[in-house]
Amino acid sequence: NAGVTQTPKFQVLKTGQSMTLQCAQDMNHNSMYWYRQDPGMGLRLIYYSASEGTTDKGEVPNGYNVSRLNKREFSLRLESAAPSQTSVYFCASSESVNYGYTFGSGTRLTVV
Amino acid sequence: QQQVKQSPQSLIVQKGGISIINCAYENTAFDYFPWYQQFPGKGPALLIAIRPDVSEKKEGRFTISFNKSAKQFSLHIMDSQPGDSATYFCAARMMYGGSRLTFGEGTQLTVNP
Repeated sequence: NAGVTQTPKFQVLKTGQSMTLQCAQDMNHNSMYWYRQDPGMGLRLIYYSASEGTTDKGEVPNGYNVSRLNKREFSLRLESAAPSQTSVYFCASSESVNYGYTFGSGTRLTVV
Repeated sequence: QQQVKQSPQSLIVQKGGISIINCAYENTAFDYFPWYQQFPGKGPALLIAIRPDVSEKKEGRFTISFNKSAKQFSLHIMDSQPGDSATYFCAARMMYGGSRLTFGEGTQLTVNP
């Protein structure tokens, strides 16, 4: 089915380890986003890419980097994981200003 | 700082009742207000959305009421069903800047049979 695919679904990291969360969409959407979800705090924007070749910081970018590899793929990298980055991470994409986001199913990350 | 405030944090309703979730915002540059529904273990899914030039939008049992002067909007779920039990997020989109959405804190709705 068409949509947004995130890998992995679950991950446990030790403090200081690095990892990359992968996201791919097959809907030919221009914009892609990375959010983190924490209890009682809703979804907070980490980074976004309004179009292929551009990336911008969101509300909580510290400790993260992103790469818009092509129109389909948008990855999120944690260079040195910290326990504060324990969260559920969602990737999303959108076609235009008239449409809502399509979200992936999330990556549950635990940093110990 | 939370630009979109959502209440209540949790809500319990009996089957057949009306569920009401409220959101308030400050930034007048927001120009699109969607609601998302999230089931456990899943990503949020767009439920219904409204623009500030209308005061109400209805889709089936779901209605958004929008009060531009008060900078408030709410989701009403009529004839609530156990299958509506989920977490609901309101959101607001900035007029400029990559269609970024700012989300409220979320409301966990439980509909008892």
